[in-house]
Amino acid sequence: EAQVTQNPRYLITVTGKKLTVTCSQNMNHEYMSWYRQDPGLGLRQIYYSMNVEVTDKGDVPEGYKVSRKEKRNFPLILESPSPNQTSLYFCASSRDIFYEQYFGPGTRLTVT
Amino acid sequence: GQQVMQIPQYQHVQEGEDFTTYCNSSTTLSNIQWYKQRPGGHPVFLIQLVKSGEVKKQKRLTFQFGEAKKNSSLHITATQTTDVGTYFCAGPGGTSYDKVIFGPGTSLSVIP
Repeated sequence: EAQVTQNPRYLITVTGKKLTVTCSQNMNHEYMSWYRQDPGLGLRQIYYSMNVEVTDKGDVPEGYKVSRKEKRNFPLILESPSPNQTSLYFCASSRDIFYEQYFGPGTRLTVT
Repeated sequence: GQQVMQIPQYQHVQEGEDFTTYCNSSTTLSNIQWYKQRPGGHPVFLIQLVKSGEVKKQKRLTFQFGEAKKNSSLHITATQTTDVGTYFCAGPGGTSYDKVIFGPGTSLSVIP
C-alpha cells in the first residue's frame, strides 16, 4: 500500500530538548516536504527536498533542520524546541513539485 | 512574497445547499491543486488544474481555474454530511517555483 508514515504521532516535550520526527514514503517519490499547520494559517512549508541530498528552505524554516540521505526518508529535527513550535506537523511526498502530494497522518507536537 | 488567499474562512450550510470556496493568488500560477482535510485527518488530494479557464467535475464537485490563472473555485452541489472538512488550494511558489504555497483553507460545516 502506497503511504507516508510519520513517527511519533503525538509528542509532548520541554523547551530545549532535541527531538526528531521521522518520515518515510514507499512510493519512490523525488519531492518531499514538511509542513506545519496552525489554526487560521493553513499549511506552511517548513523545508522541502527535490531529491536525495537536495534540501531547501520553505516559508517557515527557522528552528528546524532536515536531511535527505535516502530517497524514502526525510526526518525533521528540532535542535532546541520552543513553545512557538507547538503545532501539527505533516510530512508529504510527490513525484515532483507538479504532482499530487501524499500526506502522512500528522504529528501533534506540544512544547512546554 | 507570494500569497494565496481563500474565502470564506468558514461556511455553515444546511444539508442539500450548495457551497463555493474561492482561491486567489497574488501571482500567476502554472497549476493549482485542491485538497480536502477531514476533521482530525490529513490533507487528501482532490484535483489539479493546469489550463487557463479549465473546468473539471468530480460528481458533485466542480473546479474552475481562472482565465488569468490567478484564481480558482470549488463548488459543491447539494452538500452532504460527508463533505464536512477544510478545503485548501495550493500552487507552486518561490523564486524557482519549487515551493508549495497553500491557502489558509475554507472550513465547511454541514447541518443535517
